[in-house]
Amino acid sequence: DAGVTQSPTHLIKTRGQHVTLRCSPISGHKSVSWYQQVLGQGPQFIFQYYEKEERGRGNFPDRFSARQFPNYSSELNVNALLLGDSALYLCASSGRTSGVAYEQYFGPGTRLTVT
Amino acid sequence: DAKTTQPNSMESNEEEPVHLPCNHSTISGTDYIHWYRQLPSQGPEYVIHGLTSNVNNRMASLAIAEDRKSSTLILHRATLRDAAVYYCILRGGIQGAQKLVFGQGTRLTINP
Repeated sequence: DAGVTQSPTHLIKTRGQHVTLRCSPISGHKSVSWYQQVLGQGPQFIFQYYEKEERGRGNFPDRFSARQFPNYSSELNVNALLLGDSALYLCASSGRTSGVAYEQYFGPGTRLTVT
Repeated sequence: DAKTTQPNSMESNEEEPVHLPCNHSTISGTDYIHWYRQLPSQGPEYVIHGLTSNVNNRMASLAIAEDRKSSTLILHRATLRDAAVYYCILRGGIQGAQKLVFGQGTRLTINP
């Protein structure tokens, strides 16, 4: 089975632009989470979605938004890009919405560079 | 979110055991201890988790102190492929968002 896939792999944008990142979870997984990883730091939680509903949100500005589709894939949108948004954006899927015993499976990430 | 403390870096030799420590003195009774690792240029990868008892799986062992204020991830026979950043994470035992709170982790270097 394919793991979590993300697209694009790399992306270069200019300050003020908008970006959309995409994630396809492992088949059968209904929960998708998004993380931002700035160089040299651990990933930071942005959002979690389950059954198309937002189930959790991290400490990120309203410029960040996401949604989940009926096939459980997800999009992360970032508006009015800032230089500080340059990071690796990771998507993770899980077979459960909650229950701490369930591990999350991460994709390879999308490397976003804002110039 | 309960906090964990890990050494910034550790170094070991190939085919030797590695013990990665984690302190979590503010752990609550319902917090699970999770370990993830991140290999270079990859997303994090689940390693192991536990609540109170020691745990073993094909990747590693997790030893949890009796008071649960610390734990140790044990790689029994390190290989070069184990070189990664290892994260110790506490996750609450209640229903809710499945967020993982990553710290800085321990960067493990394996010498051939």
